[in-house]
Amino acid sequence: EVHLVESGGVVVQPGGSLRLSCAASGFTFDDYTMHWVRQAPGKGLEWVSLISWDGDSTYSADSVKGRFTISRDNSKNSLYLQMNSLRAEDTAFYYCAKDKSNSGWGGLDYWGQGTLVTVSS
Amino acid sequence: DIQMTQSPSSLSASVGDRVTITCRASQGISNYLAWYQQKPGKIPNLLIYAASTLQSGVPSRFSGSGSGTDFTLTISSLQPEDVATYYCQKYNSAPRTFGQGTKVEIK
Repeated sequence: EVHLVESGGVVVQPGGSLRLSCAASGFTFDDYTMHWVRQAPGKGLEWVSLISWDGDSTYSADSVKGRFTISRDNSKNSLYLQMNSLRAEDTAFYYCAKDKSNSGWGGLDYWGQGTLVTVSS
Repeated sequence: DIQMTQSPSSLSASVGDRVTITCRASQGISNYLAWYQQKPGKIPNLLIYAASTLQSGVPSRFSGSGSGTDFTLTISSLQPEDVATYYCQKYNSAPRTFGQGTKVEIK
């Protein structure tokens, strides 16, 4: 059974940094593109970033480009999101999600339960 | 970047009604479109991918259609457990933009 478990969400001050982690199990992690998606409380889904199976290709939303960095460690079945220069508008639940297709072009078929990041002074 | 626009933003329908949600892409995306259901307080669930392929385990009352710029999600007979917000998402290229969501309620 596929499991994705995020961790690292805390309350952080504006301008601060944080690293989120996602521990994956139940599938061959290094076969799949992985994503981060966020959702501000009471708001819609916002795609944040993706990383290819081998980590060679990454893409990010304009809203986080230059501030957030996605990475993975296939030896540890883990996905990460380094978040710098945090702003109040980054406050959200952050979900890691698995791409359905091992070609990297599919919907997101498994999601973690999310970790809450609150940016506040 | 390609924008994804859903309509309506919310709807209220009776049990048994046929419900249709529309998603429009600002440029053509072939059939690289997914639909998700997010029930209140829960994580999103993939319903449909490749615009019209039902994800395993999803009830057959859900269906998707469309290609290019215009897509629809249809619930053939609305059930109480279908109360949720529905999102479309493009995946032909990055950014993998979501629509703003359509909230479905029971009348």
